[in-house]
Amino acid sequence: SAVISQKPSRDICQRGTSLTIQCQVDSQVTMMFWYRQQPGQSLTLIATANQGSEATYESGFVIDKFPISRPNLTFSTLTVSNMSPEDSSIYLCSGGWGGRYYGYTFGSGTRLTVV
Amino acid sequence: KQEVTQIPAALSVPEGENLVLNCSFTDSAIYNLQWFRQDPGKGLTSLLLIQSSQREQTSGRLNASLDKSSGRSTLYIAASQPGDSATYLCAVLYNQGGKLIFGQGTELSVKP
Repeated sequence: SAVISQKPSRDICQRGTSLTIQCQVDSQVTMMFWYRQQPGQSLTLIATANQGSEATYESGFVIDKFPISRPNLTFSTLTVSNMSPEDSSIYLCSGGWGGRYYGYTFGSGTRLTVV
Repeated sequence: KQEVTQIPAALSVPEGENLVLNCSFTDSAIYNLQWFRQDPGKGLTSLLLIQSSQREQTSGRLNASLDKSSGRSTLYIAASQPGDSATYLCAVLYNQGGKLIFGQGTELSVKP
């Protein structure tokens, strides 16, 4: 299975600023996703990162707030823009080949605190 | 709507007990189901992957079963240890969409 490196692992940011999270996969994967995990909650899918095109966002998430890039099959970034304390969460990157035979691997997450 | 539900939300057991975590899903048209472990403030570690054609998978003290027709999966942990304390998440890959849908998780505490 793929190994995913995610950075930064944690950050404390001022409200109104933006943070870009990077996700690097050690092999080419078909699918890459970004999830948010709010305190005490399960994972909520933010968007599917599409290689070379705009990401596909889930209901409740918009590109202006969470711009995503995926320039190739092994790398993606998520930016959390104009942050507020409500954005304090763990953000997780996931990747895999999709389909019935393969599972998905997750990065170690970015713990974001907005003050 | 494609949903995943986990019961119980939390479980506390003494060391050495065998235990079962439950996961249910609303649509039997799935590719596979994964069980993950998450330690506090950390990312996810994949434990077991069951393909839609399989009935169970085993890894060490862990055994996961899948009953697609009833929309259920169980994770069985034998001879639990304090190091098993974590949140266990069930995630389903439905045929449509290509994305994992997660349950709310079961927070397990194994007391020495």
